[in-house]
Amino acid sequence: GQNIDQPTEMTATEGAIVQINCTYQTSGFNGLFWYQQHAGEAPTFLSYNVLDGLEEKGRFSSFLSRSKGYSYLLLKELQMKDSASYLCAVMDSNYQLIWGAGTKLIIKP
Amino acid sequence: GAVVSQHPSWVICKSGTSVKIECRSLDFQATTMFWYRQFPKQSLMLMATSNEGSKATYEQGVEKDKFLINHASLTLSTLTVTSAHPEDSSFYICSASGNRDYGYTFGSGTRLTVV
Repeated sequence: GQNIDQPTEMTATEGAIVQINCTYQTSGFNGLFWYQQHAGEAPTFLSYNVLDGLEEKGRFSSFLSRSKGYSYLLLKELQMKDSASYLCAVMDSNYQLIWGAGTKLIIKP
Repeated sequence: GAVVSQHPSWVICKSGTSVKIECRSLDFQATTMFWYRQFPKQSLMLMATSNEGSKATYEQGVEKDKFLINHASLTLSTLTVTSAHPEDSSFYICSASGNRDYGYTFGSGTRLTVV
């Protein structure tokens, strides 16, 4: 079966750094996505990785290791507005998105 | 960038009535649109895949006669919740793919409350 695993909840301090991990087992791989979802809102796109390595975009970076079936989202200089759920999703060989359950990130002052 | 417009943002309806939700791709053609449902504190659950000009493909456990999907053009898909009941109250979100490198663009979602 296809499976995406990520922690249910994480807590971090404003101004700090947090890493949200995601491991996956899917039938084929056409890229991994990270989305941010604030409560009561639709998800918004953060990043896309299809090759191994680190992609940096401002305060957010995403890493991928295809051989390990592993990705992480790194958030630096945390702000209170970063409190949200972060969804990991993998596009399988049929170009269908397989979603993780999301990681709720709580930022404390 | 790709923009998907979804209306209405929220709706309250009486039990037994039907509700239509629209999803439009504003600046790209979406041959495929996806409809999701999300209950509080849970992840997105794919309900159906909508292909322009053909019947939608429903996920297991989703009643196709209750959740009617129409994808009549490359920019518009609609989801109609027929004979809604309180247990249908949820957050419904559509998404469309205009460019696979950027995954799927989501609509803003529709919060449905059935009373």
